[in-house]
Amino acid sequence: DQQVKQNSPSLSVQEGRISILNCDYTNSMFDYFLWYKKYPAEGPTFLISISSIKDKNEDGRFTVFLNKSAKHLSLHIVPSQPGDSAVYFCAASGRSSGDKLTFGTGTRLAVRP
Amino acid sequence: DARVTQTPRDKVTEMGQEVTMRCQPILGHNTVFWYRQTMMQGLELLAYFRNRAPLDDSGMPKDRFSAEMPDATLATLKIQPSEPRDSAVYFCASGLGLAGGTDTQYFGPGTRLTVL
Repeated sequence: DQQVKQNSPSLSVQEGRISILNCDYTNSMFDYFLWYKKYPAEGPTFLISISSIKDKNEDGRFTVFLNKSAKHLSLHIVPSQPGDSAVYFCAASGRSSGDKLTFGTGTRLAVRP
Repeated sequence: DARVTQTPRDKVTEMGQEVTMRCQPILGHNTVFWYRQTMMQGLELLAYFRNRAPLDDSGMPKDRFSAEMPDATLATLKIQPSEPRDSAVYFCASGLGLAGGTDTQYFGPGTRLTVL
């Protein structure tokens, strides 16, 4: 049972345009959400997070939006750069799950020059 | 620059052999996690420790997998006997163990395991 879902396995975007990566979750107890970026042959690295008390968090070119009623979050990258090409994982946790993160299956982003 | 280290980076072995993967968490971190990356499941949590005590290993096949933390600077994941279906990339991650489930986990580079 996949509690965190990333339904798009891949996304291709032109350099300079916006990239939008989506994530849905089913567990209403989740209240903290993170995005990780993973390059080939490396471990995932933390990108940005959002608490359920917010609906938006911004860090430079990266913005995460949270829609709690729809159990949906998205990561916006503006403008997209070729160096953003990577696999992006959405993850979620909650007080009830303690230290554990539940990850999605990832979306591979390709930014075309 | 503190980072999680994992050894070996690559391991090729034959079915039935024992495999041991090692992880050195970031100094001062008190939570350690083992994940397996597969195409179908993404990042699956196998086991995790807080202050060296195992808290959850429900994601691990108990009959062949074992995870330990002999000391605060070393975590191990063993597979005995290994099977071809264990072929995957295994990641170790560590965190500060912040309360309320808001911790950030820092990942190592992974061990790519191939079981022939």
